[in-house]
Amino acid sequence: AQSVTQLGSHVSVSEGALVLLRCNYSSSVPPYLFWYVQYPNQGLQLLLKYTTGATLVKGINGFEAEFKKSETSFHLTKPSAHMSDAAEYFCAVSVNTGNQFYFGTGTSLTVIP
Amino acid sequence: DVKVTQSSRYLVKRTGEKVFLECVQDMDHENMFWYRQDPGLGLRLIYFSYDVKMKEKGDIPEGYSVSREKKERFSLILESASTNQTSMYLCASRTGEAGGNQPQHFGDGTRLSIL
Repeated sequence: AQSVTQLGSHVSVSEGALVLLRCNYSSSVPPYLFWYVQYPNQGLQLLLKYTTGATLVKGINGFEAEFKKSETSFHLTKPSAHMSDAAEYFCAVSVNTGNQFYFGTGTSLTVIP
Repeated sequence: DVKVTQSSRYLVKRTGEKVFLECVQDMDHENMFWYRQDPGLGLRLIYFSYDVKMKEKGDIPEGYSVSREKKERFSLILESASTNQTSMYLCASRTGEAGGNQPQHFGDGTRLSIL
C-alpha cells in the first residue's frame, strides 16, 4: 500500500528565505513522486516529478526536490521565497501498477513580507 | 498543453436536488478522476474511470455516481444533494500509457455549495 505524509500543514517563511516543505512516502514498490501547487480557487498545477534517473529534480518557478530512497523522502525546496509562492502544496505518489495517485493532505505556505 | 475543463467554477444547489458536474479533457486520455477537496483532508478520490463506460469506486463513493459515455467527458452526479457534500470538486485526467510515471492534469475545480 502507498501513502504520503506531509509534515506541517502550515509553513510560514519570510520573503527571500529558504522554503522547505517536507514529504515522506510509504511504498512497497519503487514509487513515482510528484509535487503540485494550488493557488487560491484554482486546480492543481504540476511543479515537478521524479520518475527515474537523477534524484535531484528541478521544476517550475525555481523549485526543486530531492528523492532520498534511504529516508523515503521527497522534500521540496526553493532557495528564496517570493510573495507569489504563497499557495497550497501537495505531494503525491504513484506506482507502476494501477491508475491511482496517493496525495498528502497538503501544506499551506505563507510568505511574510 | 493538456486542457481539463470543468463546466462550472461556482455552483449553488439545494438539498435533495440532482446535481451534475461536467468535465472535459482534450488530450485523448484514458483515465479520468473525480476528487473532492476539504480543508485539512486534502484530496479524496470519489470515482475514477479507465475507459469509456468503465468506472471504479474511489475512497468516498457514497452519495455519488459517475458517467463516461465518451472518452473526453466524465460526469459526476450527486443523486440527492446534501449539505455535507458542500466542497471543492476537482476533475483530473491522465494518459494510460507508460505506467505510473505520468502526472495527472487537473481542471480549475468547481466550488459547490448545497443549501
